[in-house]
Amino acid sequence: EAGVVQSPRYKIIEKKQPVAFWCNPISGHNTLYWYLQNLGQGPELLIRYENEEAVDDSQLPKDRFSAERLKGVDSTLKIQPAELGDSAVYLCASSKDRNEQYFGPGTRLTVT
Amino acid sequence: DAKTTQPNSMESNEEEPVHLPCNHSTISGTDYIHWYRQLPSQGPEYVIHGLTSNVNNRMASLAIAEDRKSSTLILHRATLRDAAVYYCILRAQGGSEKLVFGKGTKLTVNP
Repeated sequence: EAGVVQSPRYKIIEKKQPVAFWCNPISGHNTLYWYLQNLGQGPELLIRYENEEAVDDSQLPKDRFSAERLKGVDSTLKIQPAELGDSAVYLCASSKDRNEQYFGPGTRLTVT
Repeated sequence: DAKTTQPNSMESNEEEPVHLPCNHSTISGTDYIHWYRQLPSQGPEYVIHGLTSNVNNRMASLAIAEDRKSSTLILHRATLRDAAVYYCILRAQGGSEKLVFGKGTKLTVNP
């Protein structure tokens, strides 16, 4: 079974530039999550999707962050414009029940 | 979300058992106890979860105190590959699937 796929694995951009991260969840997993992980901290949930619907986006900074999950499969997380403080690892996870979330390897973003 | 408390770090020797503690004194009767771990440069990985009874799987065992205010993740024979940050998380039964991660315990395994 293929795991959660994320791309790119690393991204370096200058501040004020836009950036996008892509996630392909495990086949059959209806729930998809985006997390942000700062250095030395645990992951923090940004947004959760049930199929195409964002059911929890309370932690998503909506002034610069946006996400979409077209057709209830792949998802894209975008930041525009990026700020220095956005440097972090962005993790995507998927699940088909409440007991276990499967995480991708993450995208490490560096904003200079 | 109910809070968990874990030691910042622990050390173990290879091939010895490891007991990772977690305190959750404010746990409610319907909170599940989940453990995830995160190896260096990887996303978190599910380890085990339980409600009241002790649980075993191929990766580890979960021992839950009778009053449920604490639990212990047991790795029966630590290997170098078990070096990771281990997170103890409470999730409400029937509630959101949201996982609230703390800082976890960084486990170092010495050869």
